[in-house]
Amino acid sequence: QVQLVESGGGVVQPGGSLRVSCAASGFIFSSYGMHWVRQTPGKGLEWVAFIRYDGSNKYYADSVKGRFTVSRDNSRNTMFLQMSSLRAEDTAVYYCTKDVAPAAPPGDFDHWGQGTLVSVSS
Amino acid sequence: DIQLTQSPSSLSASVGDRVTISCRASQSVSRYLSWYQQKPGKAPKLLIYDASTLQSGVPSRFTGSGSATDFTLTISSLQPEDFATYYCQQSYSTPLTFGGGTRVEIK
Repeated sequence: QVQLVESGGGVVQPGGSLRVSCAASGFIFSSYGMHWVRQTPGKGLEWVAFIRYDGSNKYYADSVKGRFTVSRDNSRNTMFLQMSSLRAEDTAVYYCTKDVAPAAPPGDFDHWGQGTLVSVSS
Repeated sequence: DIQLTQSPSSLSASVGDRVTISCRASQSVSRYLSWYQQKPGKAPKLLIYDASTLQSGVPSRFTGSGSATDFTLTISSLQPEDFATYYCQQSYSTPLTFGGGTRVEIK
């Protein structure tokens, strides 16, 4: 069965950096695009970033462009989100999600991790 | 960016009721529209993609319809486990966007 396990969340000061990871299993990781989606406590969902199955294309929300970098290591079945210049408004639960279709443009999210909380506060 | 507007933002219903949730896009998304269910403290769960395709394992009481800018999620007979928040999402273009959510509560 598909499993996505996020790690690396925590408390960071404004302006600081943090890297969160997503360990995947139960499917051919190197065949699927992957996303990060975040949810502000008590609020709605916001798509953050997408990385193509082979890492060749990446897309970002305007709110994080230039500050966040998505990457993946297909040999380790792991995706990363490097976050820098963090702001209070980046405080959220960050979910790792798998795209529905293999080798496809950014689409829908058929599996989600349990999420990791990133809190930006002084 | 494509804006998705869901209505209502919340509703109260009883077990057995037929429930309809609307999602309107600010421009055509063709049929690149999906629906998710989220329960408190849990990650969202994909119910429907491509406007009307039922995700594997999702009960048939959930149906999706629509195209272009107007979409509907219908629950034919509400069950106790269906009380949750529902979100629509478009994958027509990046940035991918979500609707604001519809909370379905017990009457």
